Amino acid sequence: QQQVKQSPQSLIVQKGGISIINCAYENTAFDYFPWYQQFPGKGPALLIAIRPDVSEKKEGRFTISFNKSAKQFSLHIMDSQPGDSATYFCAAKGNAGNMLTFGGGTRLMVKP
Amino acid sequence: GAVVSQHPSRVICKSGTSVKIECRSLDFQATTMFWYRQFPKKSLMLMATSNEGSKATYEQGVEKDKFLINHASLTLSTLTVTSAHPEDSSFYICSASGTGGIEQYFGPGTRLTVT
Repeated sequence: QQQVKQSPQSLIVQKGGISIINCAYENTAFDYFPWYQQFPGKGPALLIAIRPDVSEKKEGRFTISFNKSAKQFSLHIMDSQPGDSATYFCAAKGNAGNMLTFGGGTRLMVKP
Repeated sequence: GAVVSQHPSRVICKSGTSVKIECRSLDFQATTMFWYRQFPKKSLMLMATSNEGSKATYEQGVEKDKFLINHASLTLSTLTVTSAHPEDSSFYICSASGTGGIEQYFGPGTRLTVT
């Protein structure tokens, strides 16, 4: 059972545009929601993370929006750049242990 | 930020041999380490979780006798793929968390090819 559903699977955005990736979860025990960026042949790198007591968190061009009642959260990349082209994974962690449940990933391509 | 390294970055081995992958936390003590497997264009699949000095906890469907995990110190965990077969070819990634920390810091991954 996939506990974190991520969409879309792939996304093409023009340079300067906004990239939006959505995730939905089922387990209400999740209490930490990170986003990771992965380039081909590399390990994932933490991009930004949010806790459910906050509805939005912004770091530079990256913003997480969180809707606790809908059990959804999304990543917005403002002013998308070709260097942002990568695979993005959302994840969720429960309140016991540090185990992460990953979404299926979104391959983002930013066209120059 | 916290740095996690993996060695080797890529390895090719013959079918039937064993290969060891090392995961090190370079600037923090990793009380918990995780091992993932990732197939091309797919998400990360958790294989096992290990706490320093304890036996690893394997996810359902992961053969513990085939994928041996050792976490003998707070900075080193190893994954040994025993009697490797071509279907074991994959990208293996480790991550680490420190004491009381909620974040996982990922290594750069190891590309294993079994011929």
